[in-house]
Amino acid sequence: DTEVTQTPKHLVMGMTNKKSLKCEQHMGHRAMYWYKQKAKKPPELMFVYSYEKLSINESVPSRFSPECPNSSLLNLHLHALQPEDSALYLCASSQRGTGDEQYFGPGTRLTVT
Amino acid sequence: AQSVAQPEDQVNVAEGNPLTVKCTYSVSGNPYLFWYVQYPNRGLQFLLKYITGDNLVKGSYGFEAEFNKSQTSFHLKKPSALVSDSALYFCAVRRGSARQLTFGSGTQLTVLP
Repeated sequence: DTEVTQTPKHLVMGMTNKKSLKCEQHMGHRAMYWYKQKAKKPPELMFVYSYEKLSINESVPSRFSPECPNSSLLNLHLHALQPEDSALYLCASSQRGTGDEQYFGPGTRLTVT
Repeated sequence: AQSVAQPEDQVNVAEGNPLTVKCTYSVSGNPYLFWYVQYPNRGLQFLLKYITGDNLVKGSYGFEAEFNKSQTSFHLKKPSALVSDSALYFCAVRRGSARQLTFGSGTQLTVLP
């Protein structure tokens, strides 16, 4: 099973809302990632978790808050977002090694109104 | 530092013809190189990778790529293109000890029937 699942598929939220994105994998991968992708652009790395600990935060605004409750789950909590945060949010996972490919979920299409 | 360049925003090819999507990279040390494909409104799908060994790497759906150290290139190829290959293709590089993937800007491949 090489599947990464993400919920919800689509999310529309106002600038004062609080919402969460969820990601799950059952491949036994120990590294998990959040990316932000604008249309026709490459994904931009936001966060990396390694063995359930946050190892990389790419200077992401505090209105984005990641959480890794266990080795299979990754959440992204959203609060007080701006319209420019509208994008496709991708979750990915990989084995521990740096030569390992990342497997991506289908993404959550977020629209901030 | 690591970077990757995809010099062509758009590549058009007729169905049945060979296709090439170009990628050059810059990285200190040994590179780990990857190709991903993205269909509309989907996440990225892993196609193939080069870590070490044989310079010609074979991947999913009949794609292959050739690692050329002297030209710092990792071009994606397929002998006979299909209309269903039409998608956005990303090359990515990772430095040996790094956790982050660096993506190229992407190349939109259109296969014309």
